[in-house]
Amino acid sequence: GEDVEQSLFLSVREGDSSVINCTYTDSSSTYLYWYKQEPGAGLQLLTYIFSNMDMKQDQRLTVLLNKKDKHLSLRIADTQTGDSAIYFCAESGSSASKIIFGSGTRLSIRP
Amino acid sequence: GAVVSQHPSRVICKSGTSVKIECRSLDFQATTMFWYRQFPKQSLMLMATSNEGSKATYEQGVEKDKFLINHASLTLSTLTVTSAHPEDSSFYICSATTGTSTSTDTQYFGPGTRLTVL
Repeated sequence: GEDVEQSLFLSVREGDSSVINCTYTDSSSTYLYWYKQEPGAGLQLLTYIFSNMDMKQDQRLTVLLNKKDKHLSLRIADTQTGDSAIYFCAESGSSASKIIFGSGTRLSIRP
Repeated sequence: GAVVSQHPSRVICKSGTSVKIECRSLDFQATTMFWYRQFPKQSLMLMATSNEGSKATYEQGVEKDKFLINHASLTLSTLTVTSAHPEDSSFYICSATTGTSTSTDTQYFGPGTRLTVL
């Protein structure tokens, strides 16, 4: 079945870049998402990429997709304390399809 | 644009009572709404998919008689947890989309409702 996997924790120094990695199994995935969830809050869509794209950049965020290896990454440049959160990788076949979420990566920032 | 609200944001109820959670798309018409559940320190798990005017499609293992979903209009879906028990305590999140299987729209998530059953 469909599965999305990501590491559970990542700790980076403030000002450094954070790279969160994700792998997925569904080769028919059309949308690949990155969501951010702060403590006690709902999900915030950070960015998404279509499966026919290799890269998408939006300010400090860069998403890289290796469709052959089914590997997705999120790079956050110049990581700030406000970036502390859980980041979920997710995929879906279409906008009207269910979204399959990874377990989330807890990003912590150290001074 | 594309704002989804949920009400209430937090609810505490006694075991055996029923709780209704509303999900509204504020500035768009949602053809499809989804309900997810998130247990502490876990990921979101889809419970059901609802299309306006039709019965919801439940994921395997989700009791449709316990989690009643109504999607009566293009801007409102409700989830009713019937005869709630402490194990139903969770964070319930809805999402909405105008999209179809061939569109390029995305899903927009509500802020979530934290349910605590005593």
